[in-house]
Order: sequence, then structure tokens, then C-alpha cells
Amino acid sequence: KAGVTQTPRYLIKTRGQQVTLSCSPISGHRSVSWYQQTPGQGLQFLFEYFSETQRNKGNFPGRFSGRQFSNSRSEMNVSTLELGDSALYLCASSLGKGAYEQYFGPGTRLTVT
Amino acid sequence: AQSVTQLGSHVSVSEGALVLLRCNYSSSVPPYLFWYVQYPNQGLQLLLKYTSAATLVKGINGFEAEFKKSETSFHLTKPSAHMSDAAEYFCAVSDPGNQFYFGTGTSLTVIP
Repeated sequence: KAGVTQTPRYLIKTRGQQVTLSCSPISGHRSVSWYQQTPGQGLQFLFEYFSETQRNKGNFPGRFSGRQFSNSRSEMNVSTLELGDSALYLCASSLGKGAYEQYFGPGTRLTVT
Repeated sequence: AQSVTQLGSHVSVSEGALVLLRCNYSSSVPPYLFWYVQYPNQGLQLLLKYTSAATLVKGINGFEAEFKKSETSFHLTKPSAHMSDAAEYFCAVSDPGNQFYFGTGTSLTVIP
């Protein structure tokens, strides 16, 4: 089975712009979670989608949003980028219930200048 | 809410020595526990998971972890460290709603 894929792998944006990141889960996985990873804050949970519905949400401002499509692919969007949004954004997929492990993609490295 | 505490943000061991990475969790319900490893510029890779079947869980690359309910711990061990084990290690707990809670990570350095 193919693993979790994320596109693009690297991105450079200017403050104030908006960005969309994409994640394709492992085939058959219905849950997609997004995380922000920075050296200072570690792994922070953004949100989780299951069957096109946001099921869990972390403590991030409304500039961060996401969606999931009927084929379980997911996108996250960050509007009005700030310098502090520079991070590695990780996507993880799972079958969707508590006992099931999450499988991570390689991440998208976002740099905001 | 669940939480995970990893004691020691940096651990150094000599090649061939025992690796011990500590993880304590807080959970109001029986937890599902995981250890992940992250190499530079990569995503997280699952090492092993505990889902209440056996308290001693064996994972990939010679790692294992023991679930101790009385101590609310899930420490990761490997009998003999290898240079390729140098990486960041994360402990995680998930709740029945599938939300994962990750520890702050432990950076493992292996000294030749």
C-alpha cells in the first residue's frame, strides 16, 4: 500500500498570503489529522477529519481551516500568513477509531518570509 | 483530557548501551499508547503500540515498551543502542475519539 503523501514538500510564502496544503491518506483510511511542528512548541494538533466531518479541533486561530473530500483526501488552508506560521505541517491518517495507530506523511515545510 | 509527559528532552547513550526513554501518561480511561520515531526532515514512523493485549510490547528495530498501569508509565527500551537509533522519539496516547496527544519528544544521541 502506498503511504501518506503530502504536497508540496516545501513552500515559501510571504506574510499576509494564504496557503493550501494537501494530504492523501493511505487507501481505506477515513481519518486524517493535521499537526504543526516547530522547534519551540513541538507537535501541536490542528484538527482531525473523519468521513468529511471535522471531529476534533485543536487550539488554533480561525485562520487555520481544513476540509476532507469524499475520497478522504484532505486539505488545510492558512490565511493571512504570519511569520510564526513557519513550521513543518504533518498529516496523519488512520482507520479512525482509538485503537488504530496514525500513519504520518513526510510533511510540508512552510517558510513564511 | 489525556496528557503525556516525556522525562528528559535529550538522552545520550554510548553505542551498545541500554536505551531507556521515559513516558508517563494521564488518562481517565484505559489508554491506547504509542511510540513514534522521527528522523531529520521526515514524518513520524510508528515504533510500537499498546492496545491492552500484552503489557510488554515489541516493536521494530529491536525496541520494546512495557505498560505499567500502577505507574502510569510506558517506557521505551532497547538493549543495545546503534548509531542509526539517533533520532527524536515521541510517546503518544489516544482517546476513544481518536484524538492523539503527543509528548514533547526526546532527542536520542548515540555516542560511538
